[in-house]
Amino acid sequence: EVQLVESGGGLVQPGGSLRLSCAASQFTFSNYFMGWVRQAPGKGLEWVANIKEDGGATYYVDSVKGRFTISRDNAKNSLFLQMDSLRTEDTAVYYCVRYRRGYDFFFDYWGQGTLVTVSS
Amino acid sequence: IQLTQSPSSLSASVGDRVTITCRASQDISIYLAWYQQKPGKAPKLLIYSASSLQSGVPSRFSGSGSGTDFTLTISSLQPEDFVHYYCLQLKNYPLTFGGGTKVDI
Repeated sequence: EVQLVESGGGLVQPGGSLRLSCAASQFTFSNYFMGWVRQAPGKGLEWVANIKEDGGATYYVDSVKGRFTISRDNAKNSLFLQMDSLRTEDTAVYYCVRYRRGYDFFFDYWGQGTLVTVSS
Repeated sequence: IQLTQSPSSLSASVGDRVTITCRASQDISIYLAWYQQKPGKAPKLLIYSASSLQSGVPSRFSGSGSGTDFTLTISSLQPEDFVHYYCLQLKNYPLTFGGGTKVDI
């Protein structure tokens, strides 16, 4: 069974940095786009970023451009989200997702999420 | 692309047929998925490409539509269906979700 396990969340002050990781298993990681989706407490879902299979292209929601960086290490089956200049509005559960692309397009597998709290 | 999901909440009973709609601000063909989210859990894929049922999802769930107007229908609500639902467009970046629908008893 496909597994995505996030880590790295926690409490950080505004302006600080945090690096999230997602460990993938039970599928050929290098064959898939991957991404991050977040959900603020009590709110809806928001797509954050995607990365191409080889890491050669990345995509971001406007609100995180220039502050967040998505990356991957295919040798270690790992996805990352470097979050800098964090704001209180970045407080959310962050989910790692596998992005199925081809004839059909959808996020088919999600991790359990990791909570990021930005507060002084 | 903005996705307007309606209603934002609805009340229904076990056995009811319910329909949730998602309207896109521009043509997204069939690049739309539906997700179910239970409290404290990650979302679960129900429908992709507007009308394809994900493997393992009960047949009481169905999706339809193309272009700008889409619907998720639950033919006979079961107790475990009283949770949140979201649509997602994957036609263009930035990918966007609808605001969500809470289905209450």
